[in-house]
Amino acid sequence: GESVGLHLPTLSVQEGDNSIINCAYSNSASDYFIWYKQESGKGPQFIIDIRSNMDKRQGQRVTVLLNKTVKHLSLQIAATQPGDSAVYFCAESRSGNTPLVFGKGTRLSVIA
Amino acid sequence: DTGVSQDPRHKITKRGQNVTFRCDPISEHNRLYWYRQTLGQGPEFLTYFQNEAQLEKSRLLSDRFSAERPKGSFSTLEIQRTEQGDSAMYLCASSLQEGYTFGSGTRLTVV
Repeated sequence: GESVGLHLPTLSVQEGDNSIINCAYSNSASDYFIWYKQESGKGPQFIIDIRSNMDKRQGQRVTVLLNKTVKHLSLQIAATQPGDSAVYFCAESRSGNTPLVFGKGTRLSVIA
Repeated sequence: DTGVSQDPRHKITKRGQNVTFRCDPISEHNRLYWYRQTLGQGPEFLTYFQNEAQLEKSRLLSDRFSAERPKGSFSTLEIQRTEQGDSAMYLCASSLQEGYTFGSGTRLTVV
């Protein structure tokens, strides 16, 4: 689960290892999901998205998995690099017609 | 730079003062969104426009907040009679379909 308040869940990984960041979403009517990366002092940056008619989508070094049965989304980052250190947010919406609703985020810390 | 631009990047204001932020979206994007983000939290939706029409407002958007997008291009977000609880990062995003492009935000500090 994700914590509430000032303390973000933190994932620490060794450089070169794979990272898996998890997200539980709440609205079973959501059919569009997206992962954003946010570095300190910057706005969120798009990583990858997926629609509910898919359960997996791959990008460059990233894979998003969607399990609608348990309302769970994960982001896998292969060969994690120091530049991947950031806060990662999942977000959901319905049919792209409702504004994105963001989760609380996970801080990824890459150990060189 | 063809991304989403926000101005100013930082704003410090005294409690009770009014502030206005500006967002210039990507030119071909017809949707524009305002979000607020506090430390350690994900962005929270405030309001959005499709072209010049304001289609939805969050309950977070009190009467002191108003947003406009008069010509369907840039948008302004005004906060009247600022309170310390308004201190946050105000993010603007634009989109053509689902994927939003965010600006770097305006960090507001109310002292």
